[in-house]
Amino acid sequence: GAVVSQHPSRVICKSGTSVKIECRSLDFQATTMFWYRQFPKQSLMLMATSNEGSKATYEQGVEKDKFLINHASLTLSTLTVTSAHPEDSSFYICSARNAVLNEQYFGPGTRLTVT
Amino acid sequence: TQLLEQSPQFLSIQEGENLTVYCNSSSVFSSLQWYRQEPGEGPVLLVTVVTGGEVKKLKRLTFQFGDARKDSSLHITAAQPGDTGLYLCAGVIITNAGKSTFGDGTTLTVKP
Repeated sequence: GAVVSQHPSRVICKSGTSVKIECRSLDFQATTMFWYRQFPKQSLMLMATSNEGSKATYEQGVEKDKFLINHASLTLSTLTVTSAHPEDSSFYICSARNAVLNEQYFGPGTRLTVT
Repeated sequence: TQLLEQSPQFLSIQEGENLTVYCNSSSVFSSLQWYRQEPGEGPVLLVTVVTGGEVKKLKRLTFQFGDARKDSSLHITAAQPGDTGLYLCAGVIITNAGKSTFGDGTTLTVKP
């Protein structure tokens, strides 16, 4: 089946620093990837839609200058949390859309802790 | 406005019991997926339903898609402790630019 990887799986950083999370689709090309944030025992909250070769589309209330998204190739999207603060601590999950099957496949997630 | 209502939110049952989780919407889906997620991991796709009235089975799990493609259910027969997890439904609503909309999830605990 389709596989989506995410790196790193866990990261701890100090307040004020920036953190980059990578999302890769390993066995299909994804023109569209999605970035989600998830709080404990809650569902996924869509942050933005990452489109290959164009600007990301952000959901209402998500700061585009704080959460920088780059989708430079058909298999890689990155999310950079800039000037991280403790309230940014969360579980970040990416997904890649297989347009042929009209299905989403999720990465394993990245646990971000900002101290 | 919650586009996709999932219920129940929490469910705690004994091993061997049956259960059903529901997803409902006023919108029509072009497709709907069910996922299972364990703590600290990403959601894992269980099934995709596309056709109204479709029924799919995955071992002890039975998935139904409503005739009007506005609702879906997940039925688990003879639940086991290994079924414990967060179950999520997600639908691609025809008028929503291809984005998936997630239900709030159902946290299932199966006690031995």
